[in-house]
Amino acid sequence: GAGVSQSPSNKVTEKGKDVELRCDPISGHTALYWYRQSLGQGLEFLIYFQGNSAPDKSGLPSDRFSAERTGGSVSTLTIQRTQQEDSAVYLCASTRGQPSYEQYFGPGTRLTVT
Amino acid sequence: ELKVEQNPLFLSMQEGKNYTIYCNYSTTSDRLYWYRQDPGKSLESLFVLLSNGAVKQEGRLMASLDTKARLSTLHITAAVHDLSATYFCAVDMWGGAQKLVFGQGTRLTINP
Repeated sequence: GAGVSQSPSNKVTEKGKDVELRCDPISGHTALYWYRQSLGQGLEFLIYFQGNSAPDKSGLPSDRFSAERTGGSVSTLTIQRTQQEDSAVYLCASTRGQPSYEQYFGPGTRLTVT
Repeated sequence: ELKVEQNPLFLSMQEGKNYTIYCNYSTTSDRLYWYRQDPGKSLESLFVLLSNGAVKQEGRLMASLDTKARLSTLHITAAVHDLSATYFCAVDMWGGAQKLVFGQGTRLTINP
C-alpha cells in the first residue's frame, strides 16, 4: 500500500523567506509526527498530532516553526523567516497506534537555506 | 531528560564476521525501535521491541531488549555487503505520546 509521502523532496530558499512542507500520512493512521535530521543535531522530534487533540509542540525550536493538520490527515509544517540553521532534512512519520506504535517515515524534504 | 546512546558510532567490518551494536537509554521505557537508513534515504523500520526480554530476528539481524539494564542490542551475523547502512535505535520519550528519542546512529560499512 501507499506509504507516507512528503513534498517537495528538495527545497532551496533564501534566508528570510517562508517555506511550507507537506506530509500525507498513511491512510488510517491516527498519529502524525514531524522530525528533522541534521548533521549537528541528529534526529530531533518537532511536533506530534494525535487525532483531534491539541498538538504537542514541545520540540519546535522557535516560534518561527508551526504546523497544522487538516481533517486529521495531511499536515503542513511552516517555517517563517528561514535561517541557515534551519537547513536539514524534515521527516514526517505516522502510526496506527496500538499495539506497537510503530512509526513509518516518509522520504523527507531536504531544506537548504542560502 | 531521556538520552539514548549508541556505540560504536562507526563500524567497519568484513563480510562473514559477526558484530553487535549497543543502544543504552537513560530512563524507563518499554518500547524500543531499530531503524535502518541508507544514504540519502529515509528511515526503514527494522524491529519493534515491546517488553523486557523481547528478541526479534530477521535474516542476519537480531535485536534484543533488556529494560532493566536499559539496553538493546542489534547483532549482525555473518555480515554481507548489503547490510551496509546507518542503524538507529529510538526510544519513546514517554509512553503516552510515542515521541521518539533517537540515538546518534551507527554507520556500518561491510567490506568484501
